[in-house]
Amino acid sequence: QSVLTQPPSVSGAPGQRVTISCTGNSSNIGAGYGVHWYQQLPGTAPKLLIFVNTNRPSGVPDRFSGSKSGTSASLAISGLQAEDEADYYCQSYDSSLSAYVFGIGTKVTVL
Amino acid sequence: EVHLVESGGHLVQPGGSLRLSCAASGFTFSSYWMYWVRQAPGKGLVWVSHINSDGSRATYADSVKGRFTISRDNAKNTLHLQMNSLRDEDTALYYCARRDCSGGSCYVDHWGQGTLVTVSS
Repeated sequence: QSVLTQPPSVSGAPGQRVTISCTGNSSNIGAGYGVHWYQQLPGTAPKLLIFVNTNRPSGVPDRFSGSKSGTSASLAISGLQAEDEADYYCQSYDSSLSAYVFGIGTKVTVL
Repeated sequence: EVHLVESGGHLVQPGGSLRLSCAASGFTFSSYWMYWVRQAPGKGLVWVSHINSDGSRATYADSVKGRFTISRDNAKNTLHLQMNSLRDEDTALYYCARRDCSGGSCYVDHWGQGTLVTVSS
């Protein structure tokens, strides 16, 4: 059980927009700590997708966007493509645990 | 280009020990904090430990505190994780990761490919 809650799965047809939520509390996201998102393609290491709530590293398509409000954050994928099928993890810092925490991960399926 | 290459993963019996290593290249290793993150088979990512840039400070997840020790050799651009008193639940793919920060928030900007640790009798 993680302190950051994500839906286990989301799906969408090619071209559609999907969003993944990441819900925390006042010790992590709500305390002002940044939220970061990672994409893990099957059988590969994770890759940084979004850092500090809304920022994309160079090379990440602008189809991926992040937002944060209160104790929650979201990752949106617009114009869904087959290559976006992967697991997506949010991550932040939790001051009550004094630990970096990940969400349980969300599997995105392209129908 | 940043490269992180882990090694040392193995099959080990419960109660045994193992030392993981991570060879870093393509960046100034001594300038970055480093993490170990693990992923049990079919499960999510779990932060295990991190160490500051000069190796003077380390932090651990409660699940490994007192059993694991993170260290680094900046002269050899190498990160280590000494794992003692291993348990079945330590079975996982262990990733070496580089930390970066922006605006006071820190994240992993580069990951290795991982090394598999299996604890089983």
